[in-house]
Amino acid sequence: NAGVTQTPKFRVLKTGQSMTLLCAQDMNHEYMYWYRQDPGMGLRLIHYSVGEGTTAKGEVPDGYNVSRLKKQNFLLGLESAAPSQTSVYFCASSQYQAGGLNEQFFGPGTRLTVL
Amino acid sequence: GNSVTQMEGPVTLSEEAFLTINCTYTATGYPSLFWYVQYPGEGLQLLLKATKADDKGSNKGFEATYRKETTSFHLEKGSVQVSDSAVYFCALRVLTGGGNKLTFGTGTQLKVEL
Repeated sequence: NAGVTQTPKFRVLKTGQSMTLLCAQDMNHEYMYWYRQDPGMGLRLIHYSVGEGTTAKGEVPDGYNVSRLKKQNFLLGLESAAPSQTSVYFCASSQYQAGGLNEQFFGPGTRLTVL
Repeated sequence: GNSVTQMEGPVTLSEEAFLTINCTYTATGYPSLFWYVQYPGEGLQLLLKATKADDKGSNKGFEATYRKETTSFHLEKGSVQVSDSAVYFCALRVLTGGGNKLTFGTGTQLKVEL
């Protein structure tokens, strides 16, 4: 099992450009998440999904869109990149288990720089 | 709302020293508590967890005890190694609102030197 993979690993954009980050998981997990990690701020949840075809806003959703067309994939889109979106982006997934302690499994991250 | 406060780093220790990284939380509801570790250039990995008061989570020589009375979940290790150098994140989860969402602290960088 590859676990959670992210594409690309690095990307440099100019202000106003668009791009899509791809997250894929092979663990058949129901839940998937996108976080951003910034110095001194820990990880903040951007959007998440509780199942195929569903998405929901997290703590910092503005400027991002997501889609979960297939259970194993969760896409994060930036329509018009801004320098404030320079960050490291992490995808995670977890299984659903009612009342359970569902560990989140993380991908290796994507380092995005917006000039 | 929910929040996690961790001690600021970096924490620099000599090999075999005792480690404590403080973590306190506020939560609406009864949270589960976690410590995640991030090694350089990698994603986060679950280190240990606890689901109720007085539970002790442990893994790889690290321990943390869920203290409801002090709303704390401090991470400890009796003898650190150079390979423990990483960033450690305390996190909580409350089973309301759906989605198994985690709230993270800001992270504490640990550097262990020979």
